[in-house]
Amino acid sequence: AQSVTQPDIHITVSEGASLELRCNYSYGATPYLFWYVQSPGQGLQLLLKYFSGDTLVQGIKGFEAEFKRSQSSFNLRKPSVHWSDAAEYFCAVGAWGSGYSTLTFGKGTMLLVSP
Amino acid sequence: GAGVSQSPRYKVAKRGQDVALRCDPISGHVSLFWYQQALGQGPEFLTYFQNEAQLDKSGLPSDRFFAERPEGSVSTLKIQRTQQEDSAVYLCASSWGQGESGEQYFGPGTRLTVT
Repeated sequence: AQSVTQPDIHITVSEGASLELRCNYSYGATPYLFWYVQSPGQGLQLLLKYFSGDTLVQGIKGFEAEFKRSQSSFNLRKPSVHWSDAAEYFCAVGAWGSGYSTLTFGKGTMLLVSP
Repeated sequence: GAGVSQSPRYKVAKRGQDVALRCDPISGHVSLFWYQQALGQGPEFLTYFQNEAQLDKSGLPSDRFFAERPEGSVSTLKIQRTQQEDSAVYLCASSWGQGESGEQYFGPGTRLTVT
């Protein structure tokens, strides 16, 4: 069965500093990978996704992620964090069923932004 | 356009009561998913609908959980004889087609508290 590990429960970053959130996955085939962000009281918003092709994917709000098959990783990065980026971030892997895909999520990383 | 909506946003139930949670997906979305998000955890898959057909209910934790989507649009998740361990945020998501892209649009969730 597929699984996702986000090793950091909390991360604190100074505003303007760079950010990297770690994600490792386990899946028996080529994965579909996603990063979602969840602000308090809000649903999950898709930041970016990887299906195939270029291993560096760009998303919304200045985020990017790099797929590294050899390391089973899909880390999320942002060069300069803004206070509004404070939220919880979830990495997910899409697993194929019989013609449809369900998502398996990690436990999330809470990002705190200090002034 | 309108996103996925869920109602109620908050529900408090006494142990043993039945509850019904509603999801209005994005118009025209074929696929609908329910997830359960316990405190401090990532969302976990409960069930999947393709139009009105429930194709996967492998994530439903017990036979007290029941979901339906009778006309292929609005869906209801029903929990009978609620228990404290049912306390969680219940997220609904929808997607185009059969979900093969894996990209799902999430609602804000219903926070269920069982006392």
